[in-house]
Amino acid sequence: QVQLQESGPGLVKPSQTLSLTCSVSGGSISSGGYYWSWIRQHPGMGLEWIGYIFYSGTTYYNPSLKSRVTISADTSKNQFSLKLISVTAADTAVYYCARETAAATRWFDPWGRGTLVTVSS
Amino acid sequence: SYVLTQAPSVSVAPGQTARITCGGNNIGGKSVHWYQQRPGQAPVMVVYDDAKRPSGIPERFSGSNSGNTATLTINRVEAGDEADYYCQVWDTSTDHPVVFGGGTTLIVL
Repeated sequence: QVQLQESGPGLVKPSQTLSLTCSVSGGSISSGGYYWSWIRQHPGMGLEWIGYIFYSGTTYYNPSLKSRVTISADTSKNQFSLKLISVTAADTAVYYCARETAAATRWFDPWGRGTLVTVSS
Repeated sequence: SYVLTQAPSVSVAPGQTARITCGGNNIGGKSVHWYQQRPGQAPVMVVYDDAKRPSGIPERFSGSNSGNTATLTINRVEAGDEADYYCQVWDTSTDHPVVFGGGTTLIVL
């Protein structure tokens, strides 16, 4: 079955760029039928959708983060990535990657284990 | 943007039935998905499209959706069901289509 795994630095300095990669196994991100998404969870809080990428390269972002977010994909490595610029302490969160069905009703399954990113000097 | 409202917590004794609700304006006209998040773990989908159960999810988990309330029902609650539960919809009427509820903590007494 499809599995996702996040990787990247656990500590980022304020004003710098947060960069994470999601490696997908058991399925191809190029196969269509799915969007590949990033979701974050602030400590002790709920879930916040960040955005997605489709295999064609189409992206869509949460309007509240749109000015700072870029999601890209490397189909040769079966990975997709998140970049968030100009980070502050408010960006400290567990970041999850997830597969989002392209069905009309759009759900997330499966999810990666998540990676904690702390923004601090 | 569309808002989903969940109670902060629900308490239930083992073996009893837990009902976790998700409120939204005419949510019955949308498809609702539910996720279980055990402490320190990633979310896992337990119900999709209101009432469908993914493979591997026990039959004890069921969902319904009508009017302004969607409900996740867990029968014969076990200690291992203690977790946070989030509802989610896809709302195409705004530029923020993915909407999660605030989450409900199920406490097994």
